[in-house]
Amino acid sequence: GAVVSQHPSWVICKSGTSVKIECRSLDFQATTMFWYRQFPKQSLMLMATSNEGSKATYEQGVEKDKFLINHASLTLSTLTVTSAHPEDSSFYICSASALAAGVHEQYFGPGTRLTVT
Amino acid sequence: GQNIDQPTEMTATEGAIVQINCTYQTSGFNGLFWYQQHAGEAPTFLSYNVLDGLEEKGRFSSFLSRSKGYSYLLLKELQMKDSASYLCAGQGTAGNKLTFGGGTRVLVKP
Repeated sequence: GAVVSQHPSWVICKSGTSVKIECRSLDFQATTMFWYRQFPKQSLMLMATSNEGSKATYEQGVEKDKFLINHASLTLSTLTVTSAHPEDSSFYICSASALAAGVHEQYFGPGTRLTVT
Repeated sequence: GQNIDQPTEMTATEGAIVQINCTYQTSGFNGLFWYQQHAGEAPTFLSYNVLDGLEEKGRFSSFLSRSKGYSYLLLKELQMKDSASYLCAGQGTAGNKLTFGGGTRVLVKP
């Protein structure tokens, strides 16, 4: 149980275009999903917290107009990287939060590798 | 937020034991997670500590001292497949947000 999928698993796009990444909880409902970015040999950096039916909460330094987050249902959150630039190339990982045995555990998706040329 | 500190790299021999330490700020702390991440893959859950003491799960154990702001992950009987990054993550009291440490890359040598 507690499987999270991401689509696509990798994407290459041209500078200036937009890319949408989907995050789905397959066998449970998640009121909260998180979006992380990870650069090579670095740890996960939280970008934003996505709550179903409300606006996402962005971490300091993350541009909300550039990284659009939509949490339309209890099983789907999307991250759109608008006007992508080469410096946005990174590994984007989502997680979905569920309460398990009294613990708010995060289940991670397999990640999306974005390359902007 | 939490300041999570852990060593950058560690090397150990197959069959040996390795201990990865993690320190964090105690204010606003709720619990601590350990994750394993292989290169190019998502993190996988290893352990969660909220109370002081040692939690053992097979070859992996995790320890927490809330008063000292300290945790460690102990990997016993190391196998080559244990070569990965190990991420320490603190969960705050406000919501279920996680703050990750920089990760510790463990290299297991034959």
